[in-house]
Amino acid sequence: GQQLNQSPQSMFIQEGEDVSMNCTSSSIFNTWLWYKQDPGEGPVLLIALYKAGELTSNGRLTAQFGITRKDSFLNISASIPSDVGIYFCAGPSAGGTSYGKLTFGQGTILTVHP
Amino acid sequence: DAGITQSPRHKVTETGTPVTLRCHQTENHRYMYWYRQDPGHGLRLIHYSYGVKDTDKGEVSDGYSVSRSKTEDFLLTLESATSSQTSVYFCAISTTGQWAEAFFGQGTRLTVV
Repeated sequence: GQQLNQSPQSMFIQEGEDVSMNCTSSSIFNTWLWYKQDPGEGPVLLIALYKAGELTSNGRLTAQFGITRKDSFLNISASIPSDVGIYFCAGPSAGGTSYGKLTFGQGTILTVHP
Repeated sequence: DAGITQSPRHKVTETGTPVTLRCHQTENHRYMYWYRQDPGHGLRLIHYSYGVKDTDKGEVSDGYSVSRSKTEDFLLTLESATSSQTSVYFCAISTTGQWAEAFFGQGTRLTVV
């Protein structure tokens, strides 16, 4: 089945540093989504990308839809302690009628040291 | 919070016992989903519903069943719980089934001992 591979699996950074993470797939995606999960909560959508090459920002977050449509990148600038959490990429599940089904990457665990 | 309530929030159960998790929504959304979250696997779709009494299997449906007898409730049942079903379970809802508009509940942590 479809697989999304995220890297790195975890990151330990100092407050103020920039962060980069990526997500790759062996198959083409027409939509890329990035979610953040705070401890004890469900995932919350950060950014949605719909077009190859698209670059979209949400505050200090910037995400890009790769040209090949097989990858996506998320950057966080000037990290702060509340950026701590798990970041997931996701895309539409293949096969049959979509109905909004999603395939998720394994997640990147971000720790920010004050 | 998009009007989603999962219950219970935490449960410990014994192997072989039946377990039912409930997802309740107050927003009249048509689409509802059950995912499980495990370290190293992200979230994986178990079952989903595209209307009352309309449900289908997801990626990891073995050992699980669902029911949706009314719009607001989507039940996930483990007929005979196994230790491999220890996980955090998330319900999600969507109005139109568009990928970017799903809202997730706060999750249910299930431990099977």
